[in-house]
Amino acid sequence: GENVEQHPSTLSVQEGDSAVIKCTYSDSASNYFPWYKQELGKRPQLIIDIRSNVGEKKDQRIAVTLNKTAKHFSLHITETQPEDSAVYFCAASTGYSTLTFGKGTMLLVSP
Amino acid sequence: DSGVTQTPKHLITATGQRVTLRCSPRSGDLSVYWYQQSLDQGLQFLIQYYNGEERAKGNILERFSAQQFPDLHSELNLSSLELGDSALYFCASSGGDSLNEQFFGPGTRLTVL
Repeated sequence: GENVEQHPSTLSVQEGDSAVIKCTYSDSASNYFPWYKQELGKRPQLIIDIRSNVGEKKDQRIAVTLNKTAKHFSLHITETQPEDSAVYFCAASTGYSTLTFGKGTMLLVSP
Repeated sequence: DSGVTQTPKHLITATGQRVTLRCSPRSGDLSVYWYQQSLDQGLQFLIQYYNGEERAKGNILERFSAQQFPDLHSELNLSSLELGDSALYFCASSGGDSLNEQFFGPGTRLTVL
């Protein structure tokens, strides 16, 4: 089955800096890659997703890039703010299977 | 608010007991997914139902079972509970296959003493 590795497990940045979280996946048939943000004690919420026919997608301060050849995708957050502090999960799916999640990255943004 | 509801919010029980967690998906969503999230762990997929039928199974223990009813709500049954079953249990729903966004409920926090 699919295996998703996520790095780093924790990431500390200063407010205004950029943050990058990377994920690799094992199943070359995977074609859907969402990113979820989970604040402490809350539900995971989708922040951005990308499909395999697209190499990059942006939404304001958030962007995701996908390299299908290397089987990795990354989340980029620019101009980080304290409210960006949360755990971020990447996931992968072939579309005929369910989502396989990475183990999460705790992002801490210091004012 | 995602539109997915879960009850109860908190559940405290003893080892060996059995509990039932309930999930109501967003209006119109046919798929329901159950996940377990333990401390310092990611989201472990347990099981998926689509329109009343089991669609996919993940790392679900034999002591656990689920079902989806004709009105599309779902229940997750956990029996012979062990201390290690203490976790947050999330339900998510989507409109179709997993290429569609999964909307998560608020979760049920289970504590086994």
